[in-house]
Amino acid sequence: KAGVTQTPRYLIKTRGQQVTLSCSPISGHRSVSWYQQTPGQGLQFLFEYFSETQRNKGNFPGRFSGRQFSNSRSEMNVSTLELGDSALYLCASSGTGRRTGELFFGEGSRLTVL
Amino acid sequence: GENVEQHPSTLSVQEGDSAVIKCTYSDSASNYFPWYKQELGKGPQLIIDIRSNVGEKKDQRIAVTLNKTAKHFSLHITETQPEDSAVYFCAATILTGGGNKLTFGTGTQLKVEL
Repeated sequence: KAGVTQTPRYLIKTRGQQVTLSCSPISGHRSVSWYQQTPGQGLQFLFEYFSETQRNKGNFPGRFSGRQFSNSRSEMNVSTLELGDSALYLCASSGTGRRTGELFFGEGSRLTVL
Repeated sequence: GENVEQHPSTLSVQEGDSAVIKCTYSDSASNYFPWYKQELGKGPQLIIDIRSNVGEKKDQRIAVTLNKTAKHFSLHITETQPEDSAVYFCAATILTGGGNKLTFGTGTQLKVEL
């Protein structure tokens, strides 16, 4: 069974630009969550989508947005990039049933903002 | 909201020794406490979890204990091996049918020395 796939793995942007990151969840998983990982703040929750609807949201500014498609693939977008947005962005999918709660993470998209 | 504190931030042990990582949480309603292991260049992976109706759970060399009264939980790794070297994250959440929103600790860098 294929794992969670995130693209691109690495990208460099400049301040003021925008970026779109993509995530393909494990087949059959309908929940996709996004986390920002930085050395100083650790893993911070951005948002979660389930069946194309945002189900939970973290404490990030409106520049951070996301969406989910009917095939459960998800994208997140960051507009007007700031230096502080440099981070590893992790996507995680989860299923239902006995293993509800377990997140399966991708390897992340490392964003550098210059 | 939930706040999770994790200690120590770094831990160095000799191969074969035990390692203990401790976390405290703030929201007494939290009922699900997973532990994730993150190896270099990879996304976090669930290694063990515990729910609030259980005080202890073991899986081979790994065990987790939960003290709901004190609102703290700990990860115990026995007979450590070099492949245990990684960053470990604790997390807490209220697990309901309404989705996943994990609050993570800031991580512990475990180094197992030969």
